[in-house]
Amino acid sequence: GAVVSQHPSRVICKSGTSVKIECRSLDFQATTMFWYRQFPKQSLMLMATSNEGSKATYEQGVEKDKFLINHASLTLSTLTVTSAHPEDSSFYICSARKDRVPYEQYFGPGTRLTVT
Amino acid sequence: GDSVTQMEGPVTLSEEAFLTINCTYTATGYPSLFWYVQYPGEGLQLLLKATKADDKGSNKGFEATYRKETTSFHLEKGSVQVSDSAVYFCALSDRGGGNKLTFGTGTQLKVEL
Repeated sequence: GAVVSQHPSRVICKSGTSVKIECRSLDFQATTMFWYRQFPKQSLMLMATSNEGSKATYEQGVEKDKFLINHASLTLSTLTVTSAHPEDSSFYICSARKDRVPYEQYFGPGTRLTVT
Repeated sequence: GDSVTQMEGPVTLSEEAFLTINCTYTATGYPSLFWYVQYPGEGLQLLLKATKADDKGSNKGFEATYRKETTSFHLEKGSVQVSDSAVYFCALSDRGGGNKLTFGTGTQLKVEL
């Protein structure tokens, strides 16, 4: 199989604090991982592409200083939401791409962030 | 840029009814096309895919055919079950799914007895 986990599944934090979300590929290596944001009743929007050992590539309009991404190993990427505000409340989903053909992406179960 | 348009939901069907969820796309080049399913409380799972024109993807009774002439990839199932209730996302990628995916807005399906 190809399992991707995310931790935590739900988190509530106060405005102004930072929150870290982990994405792990449990049984395969993933040089590349992706971070998405999903609004209620809306599609997944790609935020950034995370590459092991190098800087993440952010999509247009995504603040890289607010959404810090670290891909420290072939099985772990983290997304840190810094100085969180209520408008950052959302469902964050990661995916990990297998390092071999057909390079398919596998998705984590998502993290529900609520900023109060 | 690339985009995916799929029919709005929610779609409510009786068990054993025929399902169609429309999906059209706009892309440069020759994208790969996907249908993902998201069950309540779970992450997205790949349902089926097609990588070139006229390919038919199929899985668990669901089918979709890559139609280049109409830029469509409609999802169909001949007889739905209550367990098919979920949100279905159409998506495209410019390199077999390995590169970034562009998603449609998702269609919620509810199947009732």
